[in-house]
Formats: sequence, C-alpha cells, structure tokens
Amino acid sequence: GESVGLHLPTLSVQEGDNSIINCAYSNSASDYFIWYKQESGKGPQFIIDIRSNMDKRQGQRVTVLLNKTVKHLSLQIAATQPGDSAVYFCAENQGAQKLVFGQGTRLTINP
Amino acid sequence: GAVVSQHPSRVICKSGTSVKIECRSLDFQATTMFWYRQFPKQSLMLMATSNEGSKATYEQGVEKDKFLINHASLTLSTLTVTSAHPEDSSFYICSARDSRRGDGYTFGSGTRLTVV
Repeated sequence: GESVGLHLPTLSVQEGDNSIINCAYSNSASDYFIWYKQESGKGPQFIIDIRSNMDKRQGQRVTVLLNKTVKHLSLQIAATQPGDSAVYFCAENQGAQKLVFGQGTRLTINP
Repeated sequence: GAVVSQHPSRVICKSGTSVKIECRSLDFQATTMFWYRQFPKQSLMLMATSNEGSKATYEQGVEKDKFLINHASLTLSTLTVTSAHPEDSSFYICSARDSRRGDGYTFGSGTRLTVV
C-alpha cells in the first residue's frame, strides 16, 4: 500500500544549528500533513501541520515546506536545543480519517 | 487544548491473560478514536478506528477477535488484548479527533505492554 517514508533514519546536529528533516509521500491525493515529535516512552506530540493548498507554514522555530510536484515534505528546526532531541515523524492524512506515519528520523542535538 | 488520557502507562501480564487499555478524551467529545501499535525503533502502525456506538474498523492483518475495541461513549474507548502472548508486547497508543479543531488529532501518552 501507499505509505509515507523518510529519507534518513538518523540526524545529528550541533546545538544552535538548524536542522532539516525530510519526508517523501506517495499518495498524491493526500491533502493534509502533520509533523510529530516523539520522545522515548511517550506518545507523539503535534509540532506543525500543513494543507496541500499551501507550500510553506511557519511556527515557533519550526517551518514546514511542502513540494507537491515531487511529493516531498520537510521540517526545519531553527537554533536547535537539547530538548529537540527526539524522533520526528511525518504523517499523511489519507482521507477517511486515516493517518499514515512515516518511518521516523531520530534527531540528536550535540552540545 | 485537547487532552487524551491513556491508562495504564505500563502493564505486565502473564501469557494467556487479557489486558484492557483505556483511552479518554478529557475536555472534548470524540466520535472517532484510533489505536496504534509501535514496536521498538519502528513507526506507529494503525490497528483500528474506533467509532462511538458502532463496531470498530480494523486494518488489514489485525485480528479483531484478539484486539477487542469498545467505544461505548463519546469520551472513552477501550482496547482489550485477549489471550496475550509475548509477541503482543509493544507500545500501544490511542488518538482522538476533536471535531472542533478540524483535522486535529490528539494522542495519548501510550501504554507499554509486556507479556511474560
């Protein structure tokens, strides 16, 4: 079946640097995407979302970019902090109230 | 904001016994709740969609007789793992939609099930 995938399983960045986490999706009919952060032993925490009628959305220190032409999604985290260390998932709303999660990227912030 | 409470956070049970996990929406009504399973270092896999007052919709490959879902009210859904085996050990997470927030999904904190 169709699924959402991620390019990199792990990513390490220096504290204070910017990080970019990528995601590829395959269902061109999906119209809503969400980025989640998951810390060890906890449930996913909403970070930011974007609808398909937009190509960019900004939050506090985070930006999501959507490129529908190549079906690519990215999450940019500015000025990373130790608390940003976690696993990040993109999720795709495939309609019928069904969220499909990508494989996840483990982000490690080095001091 | 929307809050989903999941209980228990951890449970250890013996093989062959059943375990019930509760998922409650604390400050909103959820006509639809979702149950996910997550194995170590893997992503969340949707098991079933729980609809208030009706039967749950299970994903392909998920045994409905083993994973019993009940959604008796607008704020409570339960997942019962029946005749649990060690391979059922996993992290179970529920999610609920708050219709006031459009497509917003709120997740519980998860339940770590260990079957010994």
